[in-house]
Amino acid sequence: DAGVIQSPRHEVTEMGQEVTLRCKPISGHNSLFWYRQTMMRGLELLIYFNNNVPIDDSGMPEDRFSAKMPNASFSTLKIQPSEPRDSAVYFCASSLQDPSTDTQYFGPGTRLTVL
Amino acid sequence: DQQVKQNSPSLSVQEGRISILNCDYTNSMFDYFLWYKKYPAEGPTFLISISSIKDKNEDGRFTVFLNKSAKHLSLHIVPSQPGDSAVYFCAARGGSARQLTFGSGTQLTVLP
Repeated sequence: DAGVIQSPRHEVTEMGQEVTLRCKPISGHNSLFWYRQTMMRGLELLIYFNNNVPIDDSGMPEDRFSAKMPNASFSTLKIQPSEPRDSAVYFCASSLQDPSTDTQYFGPGTRLTVL
Repeated sequence: DQQVKQNSPSLSVQEGRISILNCDYTNSMFDYFLWYKKYPAEGPTFLISISSIKDKNEDGRFTVFLNKSAKHLSLHIVPSQPGDSAVYFCAARGGSARQLTFGSGTQLTVLP
């Protein structure tokens, strides 16, 4: 049973370039979350979707970041233009909305380095 | 403003002994708590959770205790094994909010 799939696993790019991170949630899950992990701020939520609709994007750092979920099995996180301070590990997680549990399952992450 | 705090960045324990990882929270709206384990170059893996209506949940070697009055939870691992060496994150969720708030993590090292 496949877990959350993220691609690429590693991305190195130059400042000013567009970066697109991809996520395939667990089949049947209806909620998807994008997190960023840095040494300074730890794991922080960027945005989450419920039934493909963005619910809370208050964690998105600025307008350079955007996220989409065109269907239940795919989401993207785009950074345009990228900056060195965006260097971090980006995680995608999915869950089945259930008031009693609502456990989020994480993908392996994408390590982004912006030079 | 850290709503979920893990004050011990690291913990070393001898194999076979008990590991106790601690977590404190400040938001009284939190009603569901989770522990995740993370190995290097991997995503966090769900370990165990507890609802605020309980004070204990057990799953094999792992037990989570919740003290609501103290706004404190702990994860006990008995007996500890070298494969348990990882970073452990405490996370909390509250009310209708779906997002998790994570602590900063504790690096557990189990010595053979």
